[in-house]
Amino acid sequence: AQSVAQPEDQVNVAEGNPLTVKCTYSVSGNPYLFWYVQYPNRGLQFLLKYITGDNLVKGSYGFEAEFNKSQTSFHLKKPSALVSDSALYFCAVRDIRGTGRRALTFGSGTRLQVQP
Amino acid sequence: EPEVTQTPSHQVTQMGQEVILRCVPISNHLYFYWYRQILGQKVEFLVSFYNNEISEKSEIFDDQFSVERPDGSNFTLKIRSTKLEDSAMYFCASSPRSAETQYFGPGTRLLVL
Repeated sequence: AQSVAQPEDQVNVAEGNPLTVKCTYSVSGNPYLFWYVQYPNRGLQFLLKYITGDNLVKGSYGFEAEFNKSQTSFHLKKPSALVSDSALYFCAVRDIRGTGRRALTFGSGTRLQVQP
Repeated sequence: EPEVTQTPSHQVTQMGQEVILRCVPISNHLYFYWYRQILGQKVEFLVSFYNNEISEKSEIFDDQFSVERPDGSNFTLKIRSTKLEDSAMYFCASSPRSAETQYFGPGTRLLVL
């Protein structure tokens, strides 16, 4: 079975400072990894994904994430936080084994609060 | 930019009633999904749908639930005989191919009284 852990319910950071939102995963095979963001009263918006290739992936709004296979982690990062980045962030994993398996497994979410 | 849309945004129903949640996936996408998020809990997978049939479903997706693509644009989730514990935000998603990113709609908040 696949699972995702987001160990922090909330991350607080000052505007202009770097931010990290942590994610670790567990799958039997090789993973597809995703980050989504949810603003109030909005759906889940795709930020970035890791499928294969370069371990550092860049996504929307200046976010990036680093895939670390040995630590089974996929932490989300941004060099300089904005107040507008304040939202709920979800990490998700999909096991690529099996042709019929498409379900994403989500973490519990991390609320990012960026203070002015 | 194309988006997944969902209607209604909010639905209140009485326990035991049937509800139909509607989704319009992105037009050239082939795979469709329903997820739900009970308040304060994780987003959970319900079902995926491809080529007019269910391709994968979770243990949550029991006989109470059904999905349908009645025409070329809509994708629906029907919940028969709703229960209090069905109260949740229901998200529809679509992807162009199996391995591709799933794009989510804004959700329908269902409240069962």
